[in-house]
Amino acid sequence: GAVVSQHPSWVICKSGTSVKIECRSLDFQATTMFWYRQFPKQSLMLMATSNEGSKATYEQGVEKDKFLINHASLTLSTLTVTSAHPEDSSFYICSATPLDLAGFSYEQYFGPGTRLTVT
Amino acid sequence: AQTVTQSQPEMSVQEAETVTLSCTYDTSESDYYLFWYKQPPSRQMILVIRQEAYKQQNATENRFSVNFQKAAKSFSLKISDSQLGDAAMYFCAYRRTSGTYKYIFGTGTRLKVLA
Repeated sequence: GAVVSQHPSWVICKSGTSVKIECRSLDFQATTMFWYRQFPKQSLMLMATSNEGSKATYEQGVEKDKFLINHASLTLSTLTVTSAHPEDSSFYICSATPLDLAGFSYEQYFGPGTRLTVT
Repeated sequence: AQTVTQSQPEMSVQEAETVTLSCTYDTSESDYYLFWYKQPPSRQMILVIRQEAYKQQNATENRFSVNFQKAAKSFSLKISDSQLGDAAMYFCAYRRTSGTYKYIFGTGTRLKVLA
């Protein structure tokens, strides 16, 4: 149980174009999902917290107009990188937290990540 | 603000031996959760173990156990009978019990297992 998928697993796009990454919780509902960015040999950097039915909460320094997050349902959140540039090339990881019957959550479950390369 | 520190960028262990990865954290809260995650070369984050701060008993999961010292704000991971498949990046993470569920990650420790 508690499986999170991401699509695509890797994508190459040209500078100036936009790319969308999907994050799905396959066997549970998640009112909250998280988007991370990871550079090689570094830790995960939280970009934003995605809340179902409301606006995402972005971490300081993350451009909300560049990294658009939509959490349209309890099982799907999307990250759109708009007007991508080579410096946006990175590994993007999403995670989701299932809630128990009392509405409490424990650990985050992570997707397999998406490697974005902007040429 | 809470912080998580992993002071060992890289560790090595011989196969079948035991290794301990260190993690310290800083918080003013009394209740929280601590986690160890493993990130193998596939880069899929895998939960290794979880510790609730209100529990005095150290968590264990098969060959993995923690030494949770709340007063010292220390949360080390012990891997017994190390296997080649244990080679990975290991991240320590902190989470509050209320409010947002976001993690604060440490910088990670790369574990090499020598045959």
